[in-house]
Amino acid sequence: DQQVKQNSPSLSVQEGRISILNCDYTNSMFDYFLWYKKYPAEGPTFLISISSIKDKNEDGRFTVFLNKSAKHLSLHIVPSQPGDSAVYFCAASARNTDKLIFGTGTRLQVFP
Amino acid sequence: SAVISQKPSRDICQRGTSLTIQCQVDSQVTMMFWYRQQPGQSLTLIATANQGSEATYESGFVIDKFPISRPNLTFSTLTVSNMSPEDSSIYLCSVETQSTDTQYFGPGTRLTVL
Repeated sequence: DQQVKQNSPSLSVQEGRISILNCDYTNSMFDYFLWYKKYPAEGPTFLISISSIKDKNEDGRFTVFLNKSAKHLSLHIVPSQPGDSAVYFCAASARNTDKLIFGTGTRLQVFP
Repeated sequence: SAVISQKPSRDICQRGTSLTIQCQVDSQVTMMFWYRQQPGQSLTLIATANQGSEATYESGFVIDKFPISRPNLTFSTLTVSNMSPEDSSIYLCSVETQSTDTQYFGPGTRLTVL
């Protein structure tokens, strides 16, 4: 049972435009959500997180939105840059646990 | 965030052998974890490495296959025992410090089993 789902395996966006990566979850106990970026041959790099008490968190070009009623979160990158081309994973954890459940990832390609 | 290193970065091993992967952090951390990413798949937690006691394994992973050590707050090892081609994966350690709920990952070890 995939508790965290990223239904789009890939996304292609033009440089300067907005990239929107989506993530859905099924476990209502999840209360902390994270986005990681992964380049080939490297470990995942933490990007941004959000607690379930918030519906938005912003850090520079990256904004994460959380819709608890829909069990949906999204990562917005604006403006998109070629260096943003990577695989993006969303992850979730439940209250009082450290265990992260990862989605399957979305490969973002930003073209000039 | 902590600086995390892993050794080896990659290896090619024969079926039936074992490989020990090391994870070193530049500062003391409360939590250390081991993950696996099989080809084309997501990251899956293998176990939580507990300092001074046995690791806590997730469903589907057992100590005999993936023995873990954590002798102190900055170092841990994961051994992949009696390897088969199905063990070909990227193995990653991650850490969580006392001041944050965020896990930071090492660069990973790419294992190929022939």
